[in-house]
Formats: sequence, C-alpha cells, structure tokens
Amino acid sequence: AQRVTQPEKLLSVFKGAPVELKCNYSYSGSPELFWYVQYSRQRLQLLLRHISRESIKGFTADLNKGETSFHLKKPFAQEEDSAMYYCALKGRTGNQFYFGTGTSLTVIP
Amino acid sequence: NAGVMQNPRHLVRRRGQEARLRCSPMKGHSHVYWYRQLPEEGLKFMVYLQKENIIDESGMPKERFSAEFPKEGPSILRIQQVVRGDSAAYFCASSLSTGAMDEQFFGPGTRLTVL
Repeated sequence: AQRVTQPEKLLSVFKGAPVELKCNYSYSGSPELFWYVQYSRQRLQLLLRHISRESIKGFTADLNKGETSFHLKKPFAQEEDSAMYYCALKGRTGNQFYFGTGTSLTVIP
Repeated sequence: NAGVMQNPRHLVRRRGQEARLRCSPMKGHSHVYWYRQLPEEGLKFMVYLQKENIIDESGMPKERFSAEFPKEGPSILRIQQVVRGDSAAYFCASSLSTGAMDEQFFGPGTRLTVL
C-alpha cells in the first residue's frame, strides 16, 4: 500500500532552534517524495522534492530508504516558517499524490 | 499567470441538493487533479483528468460524484444529492505533464458545507 504518515499534528519550536518535521512512507520500489507548505491564508505550494536534492528557505530533506523516512529539517527556525507542512508521495502511476495529515509548525519568537 | 483558480471559495448546500465546483487550471496546463480534505485528515486524491478525458478516477466515490474537463471551460466536480459527510475542502491542482519534475500547482480550494 502507498501511504504517508506524519506523526506530529502540532510542533512548536523557539526561533533559532533546530526543527525536524517527521515523515514516514510506505511504498515498494523507488519513491518520489515531496514537501508542500501552506502559509496562513495562502494556497498549498511545493517546498522541495527529494529528486532535486535542493535546499529551499534553509530546509532540507533526505530520503532514508532503510527507515522509509523523508524528514524535513532546518537548523535555525524563523518566525516566517510558521505554517502547515505536508509530506507527499507520488503514486505509482504518476497521476496522484498521497498526502500525510500535515504538521502545523509554530515558531515562537 | 493567475495560478489555479477555483470557485466558489465557499459553498453551502442543504442535504439532497447538488454542488458544482469549478477549477480553471494554470495557463498551458492540460492535466487537472481533484483532491478532498476531510476535517483532521490529509488531502486524498479523487480524480485525474486531461482535456475531455478522465484518466484516473480511482479515488472518486462510485455514486453521486462526477468530474469533467471539457475542451472549453473549467473542470467541474459535481456532487449530486449531497450529504453531511460531503462537507470538506475540495482542492484542484494542475500540471504541465506528469513527469518526475512536474509539480502540481494547487488552487485555494472550495470549502463545501452541507447543512
């Protein structure tokens, strides 16, 4: 079965502290994984994808096939990082994404 | 480019009525996807369409739900005889293609409330 799990519904960190948003997936084969972000009153937008190995707004995510994880990390959280974060897995057919339930990140000034 | 447009943003219907949700993809995009987000849940895929064709409707309930993407005009998600359980946020996304590097761009969503 293709599935994404985000165990934390809410996460609060202080400004300047490291942050890690957890994502685990279930998929047989080579997964394509993404992180989407939704800032307050804005639409869902792509933050990063594992295939690009990119760092966006200081965030990185490494695919760990052994642990079936794709955790999102940032060494120093900023107030503007407060948002809803969704981990997503591209389905086998390429037509759809499987989304986690999301983690609401609050960065405390 | 205005991005993916959805209307209405909020829709209230009584049980038994019909709900029509519209989605205009980004300019140049011919692939449209509909997702539903129930309270406290993640987005769940419903249907994927290209112009005039339904490609994958594996996530769509078998009854009362239908979708279309005509040659001209927006994509429509239609829910007939709505029930309280249909209350949710419905998101539309579009993409240029379905390649590995092609992301899906999301609309702002339509919040459907069934009284």
